[in-house]
Amino acid sequence: NAGVTQTPKFRVLKTGQSMTLLCAQDMNHEYMYWYRQDPGMGLRLIHYSVGEGTTAKGEVPDGYNVSRLKKQNFLLGLESAAPSQTSVYFCASKAERGGRTNSYEQYFGPGTRLTVT
Amino acid sequence: GEDVEQSLFLSVREGDSSVINCTYTDSSSTYLYWYKQEPGAGLQLLTYIFSNMDMKQDQRLTVLLNKKDKHLSLRIADTQTGDSAIYFCAPEADGQNFVFGPGTRLSVLP
Repeated sequence: NAGVTQTPKFRVLKTGQSMTLLCAQDMNHEYMYWYRQDPGMGLRLIHYSVGEGTTAKGEVPDGYNVSRLKKQNFLLGLESAAPSQTSVYFCASKAERGGRTNSYEQYFGPGTRLTVT
Repeated sequence: GEDVEQSLFLSVREGDSSVINCTYTDSSSTYLYWYKQEPGAGLQLLTYIFSNMDMKQDQRLTVLLNKKDKHLSLRIADTQTGDSAIYFCAPEADGQNFVFGPGTRLSVLP
């Protein structure tokens, strides 16, 4: 049981380049999230998904796109990277409340450190 | 939307108690969480409290909730060097999402 995994761990992009961050979870969770963490600002929600095939915007969605084609995977795309997107990106997953696990906890991946020059 | 505020830094001596405070604005938050982030790692759930409770104790951790003032605190008794980390307050916004505070960096001095 690996929990939540993220690839890659580190990446450096030039302005205007594109990339996709992959998040995978093996806990059969319905909910998945993408956050960015910047110093002194906590975690800000970029996009989230409440189930396979669904996505929704969070607090800071501009410049990012997501897809949830399979329940276990949640992809975050940057079509044209900008220096303002330099950040640490965290993926998280959560079981649906009322399910068998009755869990309220979000499980986080280890993060992806992205630098855009 | 929900605003969550925390002090950014706290220093304590090993063996003392630490108190990390959090204020929030959305009175409809039903669950309020505390997460811990160690250097270079993701966040891990420490504890949470239901909005119909005033206090919850879990070993060295005590969570106090004042719903009237929308104030949440986390007390760590007998603070150890291994408690050095960033602590995030996170009220649950709508049953699906969380709003995280900026985090309080706790430094434990020997």
